[in-house]
Amino acid sequence: GNSVTQMEGPVTLSEEAFLTINCTYTATGYPSLFWYVQYPGEGLQLLLKATKADDKGSNKGFEATYRKETTSFHLEKGSVQVSDSAVYFCASYSSASKIIFGSGTRLSIRP
Amino acid sequence: GAGVSQSPRYKVAKRGQDVALRCDPISGHVSLFWYQQALGQGPEFLTYFQNEAQLDKSGLPSDRFFAERPEGSVSTLKIQRTQQEDSAVYLCASSSDRVVHEQYFGPGTRLTVT
Repeated sequence: GNSVTQMEGPVTLSEEAFLTINCTYTATGYPSLFWYVQYPGEGLQLLLKATKADDKGSNKGFEATYRKETTSFHLEKGSVQVSDSAVYFCASYSSASKIIFGSGTRLSIRP
Repeated sequence: GAGVSQSPRYKVAKRGQDVALRCDPISGHVSLFWYQQALGQGPEFLTYFQNEAQLDKSGLPSDRFFAERPEGSVSTLKIQRTQQEDSAVYLCASSSDRVVHEQYFGPGTRLTVT
């Protein structure tokens, strides 16, 4: 079945550092891929998405590129801020209406 | 406009009690989903409605779990004879169109079974 594997946390960085959170997927066919973010005390929010190979999703300075050859969708940001502290979930959607989530990566940014 | 709302936000139940969790989706959203999120894990799919029809309930962990959406709007997830392993955050999401991956999530209901 489909699955998503992402980098375990927690990840702690200093403000303005470069961020990468790794994510790989297994699926039959070509799923749509997402990054969701969960800020403290809030619900899950869609951060960015890519629906086909080589697409790049971007939002709020975050980027991720759909790599079919490596079945990856790594999340990157060039300069993180304290306000980026949250839990990030990589996810895939292929069919049957269900989104498959990774286990989440907690990110903490030090001022 | 208003997002997805869920109530109660927190629920403590004694083992063996029945609970009912409510979800109000975004107005006009056709599709509604329930997910279960255990501590430190990602959400796991439970069930999916399109209007009032429950099209997929493959994720419901046991026959103690039951969901309904009788008028195609508000949905209720019911758990009978709660067990400790049912303790989790229950998330509801809704989607506006038949390409259902654009899901908007509610804040969740945290259920603790003692």
